[in-house]
Amino acid sequence: GAGVSQSPSNKVTEKGKDVELRCDPISGHTALYWYRQSLGQGLEFLIYFQGNSAPDKSGLPSDRFSAERTGGSVSTLTIQRTQQEDSAVYLCASSLDRPVINPYEQYFGPGTRLTVT
Amino acid sequence: AQRVTQPEKLLSVFKGAPVELKCNYSYSGSPELFWYVQYSRQRLQLLLRHISRESIKGFTADLNKGETSFHLKKPFAQEEDSAMYYCALQGAQKLVFGQGTRLTINP
Repeated sequence: GAGVSQSPSNKVTEKGKDVELRCDPISGHTALYWYRQSLGQGLEFLIYFQGNSAPDKSGLPSDRFSAERTGGSVSTLTIQRTQQEDSAVYLCASSLDRPVINPYEQYFGPGTRLTVT
Repeated sequence: AQRVTQPEKLLSVFKGAPVELKCNYSYSGSPELFWYVQYSRQRLQLLLRHISRESIKGFTADLNKGETSFHLKKPFAQEEDSAMYYCALQGAQKLVFGQGTRLTINP
């Protein structure tokens, strides 16, 4: 079946504009994650959705960042009033529910490369 | 707090030489550790997990709780091993990644 998809693949925006990044997880995966991949910074956790539970927003760097997941499927990451330091690749991943003993593999999307000019 | 440290941002070895990518972690509970790999122009993907005690593409990783390490090893590097490698620790809920090591295999 289809893997995790993300759109757009590339986004160039002007400083101060808002952007929306979309993630379509693998069908049936109840867990969805957003990460940011910056040059030299590795993978930075942003937010985690698990079923109907309240999302773990502990990784969001500022209140300009928000995310929603509608109907337990598609997720949108919104960045308001973008800044140049927001430039990065934003990755989405999904997995099955995490059982206690054996954590499930995360499947990653291709990412959205965001450039703020 | 959960933390994963990969001390080498860049690692370069010759084809056929042994390779070791270092990973150290800090976690108060029982760790669940992984190595993820990202080849050029491909998605980030799971390479191996410690609980499976598996060898994938010739790579192995042993969890050393005394040294809090999970180093990735391969006895004979191949050119196709060139990639970005991330060590990751599964905490109570989320996966925490290290900063990654870019491995280059020279012919």
